[in-house]
Amino acid sequence: AQSVSQHNHHVILSEAASLELGCNYSYGGTVNLFWYVQYPGQHLQLLLKYFSGDPLVKGIKGFEAEFIKSKFSFNLRKPSVQWSDTAEYFCAVSGLTSGSRLTFGEGTQLTVNP
Amino acid sequence: KAGVTQTPRYLIKTRGQQVTLSCSPISGHRSVSWYQQTPGQGLQFLFEYFSETQRNKGNFPGRFSGRQFSNSRSEMNVSTLELGDSALYLCASSLVGQGAYYGYTFGSGTRLTVV
Repeated sequence: AQSVSQHNHHVILSEAASLELGCNYSYGGTVNLFWYVQYPGQHLQLLLKYFSGDPLVKGIKGFEAEFIKSKFSFNLRKPSVQWSDTAEYFCAVSGLTSGSRLTFGEGTQLTVNP
Repeated sequence: KAGVTQTPRYLIKTRGQQVTLSCSPISGHRSVSWYQQTPGQGLQFLFEYFSETQRNKGNFPGRFSGRQFSNSRSEMNVSTLELGDSALYLCASSLVGQGAYYGYTFGSGTRLTVV
């Protein structure tokens, strides 16, 4: 069965600090990878996705993620965070054998202090 | 365009009752999926409907069921409610059947509390 693990459950940063959130997955096949964000009181929004091609993908709001197949990882990065980035971040995976099902990680709560 | 609309936003039910939640996808989206979000289990896939057919089902008991109508609107039903069913139920829609390849748009959810 596929699974997703996010290393940090709560990350606290100051504004302008760099961000890297870890995500590792377990899946025996070709995968599609996603990062979703849930701002306080809002719905889940897609930050970025990887299907194939360039392993470095860029998303909205200055976020990017790198797919490292050999490490089964898809870490999310942002060079300089803002207070408005305070939110919960979810890594998710889907694959050919799972069809449309998304398997989510536990989530990482990011708090950015001004 | 309007987003994914879920109704009601909040619901309080008593153990043993049943509940029906509704989801209206983005216009033109034919795939609707449902997820349960709880603090302990996180986000878990319930089922997916495309063109009125259930295409995929998660590991939930038979008390959880759903359906999709010809206008792509979807409902999910939970019968014989248990305290553990208290959760945020999220609906997600996508343009094509394989929503996980192209990205889902999520609704704001229905917060169900079972007392």
